[in-house]
Amino acid sequence: AQSVTQPDIHITVSEGASLELRCNYSYGATPYLFWYVQSPGQGLQLLLKYFSGDTLVQGIKGFEAEFKRSQSSFNLRKPSVHWSDAAEYFCAVGGGGSYIPTFGRGTSLIVHP
Amino acid sequence: GAGVSQSPSNKVTEKGKDVELRCDPISGHTALYWYRQSLGQGLEFLIYFQGNSAPDKSGLPSDRFSAERTGGSVSTLTIQRTQQEDSAVYLCASSSRPGPKETQYFGPGTRLLVL
Repeated sequence: AQSVTQPDIHITVSEGASLELRCNYSYGATPYLFWYVQSPGQGLQLLLKYFSGDTLVQGIKGFEAEFKRSQSSFNLRKPSVHWSDAAEYFCAVGGGGSYIPTFGRGTSLIVHP
Repeated sequence: GAGVSQSPSNKVTEKGKDVELRCDPISGHTALYWYRQSLGQGLEFLIYFQGNSAPDKSGLPSDRFSAERTGGSVSTLTIQRTQQEDSAVYLCASSSRPGPKETQYFGPGTRLLVL
């Protein structure tokens, strides 16, 4: 069975600082990996996704993520955080014969001015 | 174009009452998902519809929960005899095609509070 772990429930950063949100997955084959963002009162929006090829994936809003098979990780990064990035971030894994992705519990990002 | 819409945005009900939550997916999207998001929890899959195929109901937590999708478009999630533990945000998502690679487009959710 596939699973996703987001070890950090909350992350606090100062505006302008760099950011890394951790995601570890468990999956038997090559996974399909996603990062979604949920702003307060909103649904989830896709930031980026990885299926194959280049392990460094660029997404919207200046985010990127790197797939590391040896570490079973797909960490999300941003070089300089903006106050508007404060939100909940979800990592998800899918693949195989299942059309149902598995989502992590989410990481809440707090941005200090 | 219009995104996924859900109604109502908020619903307060009394324990034991039935509630219906509605989802309007993006036009032309054949796949539709329902999830439940409880405070501090991730997204819990409830049910998946794909075209005219039988839905995947494997995530429904009890027989009090049911859902239908009429005409391959609008979907309704019904919770009968609501319990306090049903309080959560119910999210609907759609995708243009079935498959694990497809991006899901989410609605804003219905926040359900059972008193």
